[in-house]
Amino acid sequence: DAGITQSPRHKVTETGTPVTLRCHQTENHRYMYWYRQDPGHGLRLIHYSYGVKDTDKGEVSDGYSVSRSKTEDFLLTLESATSSQTSVYFCAISEEGIYAADTQYFGPGTRLTVL
Amino acid sequence: DAKTTQPPSMDCAEGRAANLPCNHSTISGNEYVYWYRQIHSQGPQYIIHGLKNNETNEMASLIITEDRKSSTLILPHATLRDTAVYYCIVTFNNNDMRFGAGTRLTVKP
Repeated sequence: DAGITQSPRHKVTETGTPVTLRCHQTENHRYMYWYRQDPGHGLRLIHYSYGVKDTDKGEVSDGYSVSRSKTEDFLLTLESATSSQTSVYFCAISEEGIYAADTQYFGPGTRLTVL
Repeated sequence: DAKTTQPPSMDCAEGRAANLPCNHSTISGNEYVYWYRQIHSQGPQYIIHGLKNNETNEMASLIITEDRKSSTLILPHATLRDTAVYYCIVTFNNNDMRFGAGTRLTVKP
């Protein structure tokens, strides 16, 4: 399995509070991704990064921000959590992103509940 | 929206081949077909991918029709541990992987 860890694995928070989720990789892969998974929607891309300090929006980026100050870490921040952001969040990595013949490897996920 | 159509569920007997179909009638020439699976609530796991030719690896085989409008993932000897949701994804850009609802495969003893 690719060396990807996510922290925390579970979190319960209240509406309006800030939340930061961390993805850490030991593979030195250039690309990192954040997805959310909700019943009836499959996985949806929130943001991705193509290098240190280089990020871009995905399909469902509203309400989320990301940062990547080191190759190995990709942070997802909910500035003011809402109940609609209750979800399971997955991080993924890939060696290259611009060519489709490159696979993504996923972390174990973080289950976030916003009350 | 996902560019693929998959049956919502399938059953397979343990030890038999599991054949999971996927329709992607609007696929364009530079788009690959990817298969991932998700076991229970774990992160998705890469299985296989292909462009035009059939592909095989240690996990599965991917059969793509000549017109590329459909494909089949084959697990040659399904085990109980293959019970999972299987996702067929069509993309030319690794930054645009659209996971749909997938097929829930249940392998039965």
